[in-house]
Amino acid sequence: DAKTTQPPSMDCAEGRAANLPCNHSTISGNEYVYWYRQIHSQGPQYIIHGLKNNETNEMASLIITEDRKSSTLILPHATLRDTAVYYCIVSYNNNDMRFGAGTRLTVKP
Amino acid sequence: EPEVTQTPSHQVTQMGQEVILRCVPISNHLYFYWYRQILGQKVEFLVSFYNNEISEKSEIFDDQFSVERPDGSNFTLKIRSTKLEDSAMYFCASRGGLAYNEQFFGPGTRLTVL
Repeated sequence: DAKTTQPPSMDCAEGRAANLPCNHSTISGNEYVYWYRQIHSQGPQYIIHGLKNNETNEMASLIITEDRKSSTLILPHATLRDTAVYYCIVSYNNNDMRFGAGTRLTVKP
Repeated sequence: EPEVTQTPSHQVTQMGQEVILRCVPISNHLYFYWYRQILGQKVEFLVSFYNNEISEKSEIFDDQFSVERPDGSNFTLKIRSTKLEDSAMYFCASRGGLAYNEQFFGPGTRLTVL
């Protein structure tokens, strides 16, 4: 089963930052935190990943706490197209990816 | 931009029949995966495949399932004797190599078992 805990749903106003939390209190030292999202019934889409440092790419930022027991995915300026289910996954090898229920983010105009 | 493709987009079959779901991973990718998602439920890992053999599999991937890379481009998932509970969306994914972290997912095949 997934080793992460996420809120089942969140709302965000269009143009505002969306901050999606994830708890992974049992994460091991060699495990990465991955974020994927699934828009409607499409295949999941990779967003970002990190080990212990904060990471940023063209889609999002990932903030990992110093103890690595939780993280936050930040979409800096959410758009309606960011409405999706967001999955936080912990994995050491990016092979055995165990998706949880995720957070259903709804971006509202 | 290269993408993972899957065929067919929707397959309907009778219980007990064999089905083969097909995927064409991104060229030059080395790791291949199958996942399934029952309607309204979470995405479930089935199997990973590397260097022409299964590298990891979940408890769902029992003897009724098999995978194959028959010709260096296609990656297939076979279900030998389908059950009603096999009805789901099946996603194929591929990854470039050990140094690459992103799995690229295909659009999925919706399997309906009657």
